[in-house]
Amino acid sequence: EDQVTQSPEALRLQEGESSSLNCSYTVSGLRGLFWYRQDPGKGPEFLFTLYSAGEEKEKERLKATLTKKESFLHITAPKPEDSATYLCAAFGSSNTGKLIFGQGTTLQVKP
Amino acid sequence: ETGVTQSPTHLIKTRGQQVTLRCSSQSGHNTVSWYQQALGQGPQFIFQYYREEENGRGNFPPRFSGLQFPNYSSELNVNALELDDSALYLCASSSEGHSLRGYGYTFGSGTRLTVV
Repeated sequence: EDQVTQSPEALRLQEGESSSLNCSYTVSGLRGLFWYRQDPGKGPEFLFTLYSAGEEKEKERLKATLTKKESFLHITAPKPEDSATYLCAAFGSSNTGKLIFGQGTTLQVKP
Repeated sequence: ETGVTQSPTHLIKTRGQQVTLRCSSQSGHNTVSWYQQALGQGPQFIFQYYREEENGRGNFPPRFSGLQFPNYSSELNVNALELDDSALYLCASSSEGHSLRGYGYTFGSGTRLTVV
């Protein structure tokens, strides 16, 4: 069964303290790995899509990478406004438009 | 360019009742998906509509049903509400080619449903 697991569930950082979030996946025929940011009471906001192992994408303080088994979201010198829940989702070969989400990592960045 | 809008934002229903949630997709998008997100969990896929037909369904019982209209807006209907149906219900839209190739889905802010 296709599955996505994120770790850690929660992460507290001091402002400027870099770290990484992990997303492990077992998905048949991975066609895309998505990262979303979700603020409390809001819908997920698209960050990145990765399509093949070795691919990397960057946006401001965020950098996403992909291997054949997992993806990492690296946060460099985070700021308090980076506090949110980060969701990882996989899109497989089922062709039904189904995104398989992990449970998310809730990041808190303290000033 | 308008995003995905959902209504209502909050709703309280009694166990056993029926509820209808609504979604207007982003301009130019013809595919709509619905997700259920329990507190502290990631979203779970309910179903997807493309050209007014359901073309994918997750592990949800038949009392969860939907519609897509010619203008690509959509409804999610839930019958015989149970306490466990309390969750944030998210609608996501995408354009035809993008959904099939797994490109960006635009999510709405969701409807918070509480069943008491």
